Amino acid sequence: RKEVEQDPGPFNVPEGATVAFNCTYSNSASQSFFWYRQDCRKEPKLLMSVYSSGNEDGRFTAQLNRASQYISLLIRDSKLSDSATYLCVVNTGGSYIPTFGRGTSLIVHP
Amino acid sequence: EAQVTQNPRYLITVTGKKLTVTCSQNMNHEYMSWYRQDPGLGLRQIYYSMNVEVTDKGDVPEGYKVSRKEKRNFPLILESPSPNQTSLYFCASSLAESYEQYFGPGTRLTVT
Repeated sequence: RKEVEQDPGPFNVPEGATVAFNCTYSNSASQSFFWYRQDCRKEPKLLMSVYSSGNEDGRFTAQLNRASQYISLLIRDSKLSDSATYLCVVNTGGSYIPTFGRGTSLIVHP
Repeated sequence: EAQVTQNPRYLITVTGKKLTVTCSQNMNHEYMSWYRQDPGLGLRQIYYSMNVEVTDKGDVPEGYKVSRKEKRNFPLILESPSPNQTSLYFCASSLAESYEQYFGPGTRLTVT
């Protein structure tokens, strides 16, 4: 099983900025994709699933590019409360062993 | 409230002393998993279960055992803990494969 790669950051941005993270995966059989958010020493929580057509939830937009095998997360109008680690997760059908990226750290400062 | 619970939340133990970390979910989920999270390595799956009495190895199963006798419970057993099992452990459940996972609050284990 191949890896999922993320830029670890940290991404250090001011409030109100737009920031984008990418996550690449190398298994072309991957079938489902997610972004999770993890606050320091806390459990990961689902931020959003990533659909083939792309999807948006408020200030967050997720996109999937199967041809280039990456998913992206765009955060608009960053808030201080967006500071966290963002985990990319890829599932390959037929085996329930989700692959987690190591996470991208985001720090939003005043 | 839909949730995954783990106990204990913090545990310090000595090498070789058997321990069990419990995990329980109240969402009637089919799938349950155990992960460990280490700095620089991210989350790695230890074992997973697709249903009662059905379990399988994840990426890092060595030194761990699990059981799934009831749908809601999925305990993690360390028969003879070693210092390299010092880590942050998460239990998770999901309705089915490829669905969102719900994580427990984590168990911080230190083996001296």
